[in-house]
Amino acid sequence: GENVGLHLPTLSVQEGDNSIINCAYSNSASDYFIWYKQESGKGPQFIIDIRSNMDKRQGQRVTVLLNKTVKHLSLQIAATQPGDSAVYFCAEKQAGNAGNMLTFGGGTRLMVKP
Amino acid sequence: GAGVSQSPSNKVTEKGKDVELRCDPISGHTALYWYRQSLGQGLEFLIYFQGNSAPDKSGLPSDRFSAERTGGSVSTLTIQRTQQEDSAVYLCASSLVGSDGYTFGSGTRLTVV
Repeated sequence: GENVGLHLPTLSVQEGDNSIINCAYSNSASDYFIWYKQESGKGPQFIIDIRSNMDKRQGQRVTVLLNKTVKHLSLQIAATQPGDSAVYFCAEKQAGNAGNMLTFGGGTRLMVKP
Repeated sequence: GAGVSQSPSNKVTEKGKDVELRCDPISGHTALYWYRQSLGQGLEFLIYFQGNSAPDKSGLPSDRFSAERTGGSVSTLTIQRTQQEDSAVYLCASSLVGSDGYTFGSGTRLTVV
């Protein structure tokens, strides 16, 4: 659910290492999940998505894992690069949602050390 | 257009003044959303427009905030009698109904002095 008003947790990783960003979602009826990346001064941009009938989906250097049992979503970034430094948000959409409303998590700031 | 366009990109205003923020969604996108993002924080939902339906205003923080969407396209978010706590980045997003995910604009950074 929304975490309005909370300061962002920060994950600091060394360039070249793998990063794992976690997200706990609140609604067991959610059937679609997205990860967004927000670089400084820009709007959030789509990275990868996953539907609830899957537990893993891979993109280029990114993998999203979904554990519906514990309502947990994670984003794994392989060989993290300085350009990956950004704030990452997870978002969920409830099945049967009349609109397209997404509920955003509070975000995690990823800092990549050269 | 190719993406969601917001203007102005930056706005500095004096406390007590009214401001208008503009959003041009992607052509054909019937759903439009406004979010607020305070410095270093997450996304706070403000308002949602879908086609000709009544907007979902449940996220507006006070009656100083209002928004309209003309002709199902451009939207304007108005903040009356601005306060310093209104300082934030205001993000607009649009989507096609039945599609997944939003496309965000780059936001308007509002500073109330």
